[in-house]
Amino acid sequence: DAGVIQSPRHEVTEMGQEVTLRCKPISGHDYLFWYRQTMMRGLELLIYFNNNVPIDDSGMPEDRFSAKMPNASFSTLKIQPSEPRDSAVYFCASTQWGRGNSPLHFGNGTRLTVT
Amino acid sequence: DAKTTQPPSMDCAEGRAANLPCNHSTISGNEYVYWYRQIHSQGPQYIIHGLKNNETNEMASLIITEDRKSSTLILPHATLRDTAVYYCIVRGAGGTSYGKLTFGQGTILTVHP
Repeated sequence: DAGVIQSPRHEVTEMGQEVTLRCKPISGHDYLFWYRQTMMRGLELLIYFNNNVPIDDSGMPEDRFSAKMPNASFSTLKIQPSEPRDSAVYFCASTQWGRGNSPLHFGNGTRLTVT
Repeated sequence: DAKTTQPPSMDCAEGRAANLPCNHSTISGNEYVYWYRQIHSQGPQYIIHGLKNNETNEMASLIITEDRKSSTLILPHATLRDTAVYYCIVRGAGGTSYGKLTFGQGTILTVHP
């Protein structure tokens, strides 16, 4: 089991550029989550999917952020245009339905720096 | 989800037990207590969870009080690699709250040689 895989590990971009973060959940997991972590706000849930369908996107900060899950093994989080305040570590996590108490498994994150 | 309260930091000597407390006085009957930890520059790592009974696995033990308003995570023999931020989270088992792990500030555990 390779765990949740995120890419890239680090991303440095200039303000105004489009940024795409990628996530491959654990095979067989049907829930996928995107979190963001900053020193000021800690870990925040941005959006989560069930069976590739977005269930709750109330944590997405603004329209510049969008997330997709075209199939069960891939998800993207896109920021367009990026701003310096988007600098953070973005985590993807997955879990399997069937047991309401199943834990989330996190990837090692993408550290985004917007200059 | 119910809120949790944890001490901001704790110290522990290597080889000794680390007991990390958590208060969750507004927990509901169907809400589980979860513990995660985050080692610097890594994603949060699941440790253990429980509903009302005490739980033990290869990493830790979880003691939940009878009224479920507080719990303690026990690392029986702490090592330097256990130095991390430990998060106590209360989470519902279904409905729209499913998956909504709400992380607080956690406890920074420092294990000393």
